[in-house]
Amino acid sequence: IAGITQAPTSQILAAGRRMTLRCTQDMRHNAMYWYRQDLGLGLRLIHYSNTAGTTGKGEVPDGYSVSRANTDDFPLTLASAVPSQTSVYFCASKMASGSLTDTQYFGPGTRLTVL
Amino acid sequence: AQSVTQLGSHVSVSEGALVLLRCNYSSSVPPYLFWYVQYPNQGLQLLLKYTSAATLVKGINGFEAEFKKSETSFHLTKPSAHMSDAAEYFCAVTLPSGGYQKVTFGIGTKLQVIP
Repeated sequence: IAGITQAPTSQILAAGRRMTLRCTQDMRHNAMYWYRQDLGLGLRLIHYSNTAGTTGKGEVPDGYSVSRANTDDFPLTLASAVPSQTSVYFCASKMASGSLTDTQYFGPGTRLTVL
Repeated sequence: AQSVTQLGSHVSVSEGALVLLRCNYSSSVPPYLFWYVQYPNQGLQLLLKYTSAATLVKGINGFEAEFKKSETSFHLTKPSAHMSDAAEYFCAVTLPSGGYQKVTFGIGTKLQVIP
């Protein structure tokens, strides 16, 4: 089934540890996104990639990094996790980065707890 | 600047009753508006979107929304609630912003359907 997969589903992490959240899509979408979802704040964009080989910063990029080596994969790395990064993380993609009306498709999310 | 405001973080309706979830936007240019639904422990799914083709937009699962420029609103409705409609609903607006299409999400409205 076409779509977006994320791994792990959930993770408990000690503060200071490094963690990579994985995201893979098989829809050949050009644009990919990482959001975090926090109660009362909705979804906030962390990083984005308009096409393979390019990345950019969203609204809340501090403490996170991404790479886009190919079309399908868009991993998100927390270099040194802090408790404020406890959140649910969603990866999303859409066909054309330049389209204002393309639908974003979301993965099932990764629930991360940093202690 | 663009933003969306969802009035009511929690809405309860009886099964069979009208569902009305409110969304107001602010935008200096004509917006593109979306409603997404999130079922428990899942990612967001598109319900419907307004792309300026028609002010009344029909979506999946019997939902529809009407774009009213004079009221800067894009409220989501469904004539008769089903138990399966219990979920969280997000209104979103999209505009160009720097290097990406900025999507701003509301904080969400959790819909409870009472049998």
